[in-house]
Amino acid sequence: EAQVTQNPRYLITVTGKKLTVTCSQNMNHEYMSWYRQDPGLGLRQIYYSMNVEVTDKGDVPEGYKVSRKEKRNFPLILESPSPNQTSLYFCASSLYPTSGTYEQYFGPGTRLTVT
Amino acid sequence: AQSVTQLDSQVPVFEEAPVELRCNYSSSVSVYLFWYVQYPNQGLQLLLKYLSGSTLVKGINGFEAEFNKSQTSFHLRKPSVHISDTAEYFCAVSGGYGGATNKLIFGTGTLLAVQP
Repeated sequence: EAQVTQNPRYLITVTGKKLTVTCSQNMNHEYMSWYRQDPGLGLRQIYYSMNVEVTDKGDVPEGYKVSRKEKRNFPLILESPSPNQTSLYFCASSLYPTSGTYEQYFGPGTRLTVT
Repeated sequence: AQSVTQLDSQVPVFEEAPVELRCNYSSSVSVYLFWYVQYPNQGLQLLLKYLSGSTLVKGINGFEAEFNKSQTSFHLRKPSVHISDTAEYFCAVSGGYGGATNKLIFGTGTLLAVQP
């Protein structure tokens, strides 16, 4: 089954404790992206990756890191989480933009609470 | 810069009634438009998309949307809703960057609450 998986689905942590949220897709997609969803703000892009070893900032990258060492994986790293990073996080993937489809497939989400 | 406005944060409707969820966008270039649905505790699922061609787009679950370039709108409609349509609906825009980043700009979402 074609899908985007994220782990963990739920995470409660404390300020300053480094964490990683994993994202993996099995569709051989070149493009992957992270979004955060906050009430009243919709989804905002954090980082994206056009292909292996190619990443760039989205609209709200502060406090986050990413890496793309393999095509299928795109982990989101919070080196020193703070309470304002409490949010619902989604990973998404799609074919390379110039494929013409532009459809992005979303993971189930990771609900992060930082106390 | 591109932006998406969903003026209605919540739309209550009775079962079997028609519904329209409004979406307006701003962009100085050609765009691609999408509607996503998010059921409780789930990720986002694509309902439909407009890339080019016919301005009336049909999607899954009986939903359709009409692209209106002059009014910069992409309203979502369904002639008869079911309880199972209760969810949050997001309008999004992409494309037109020249650099093809594929970034989606989302609206703030509309909660469709279907009542029996």
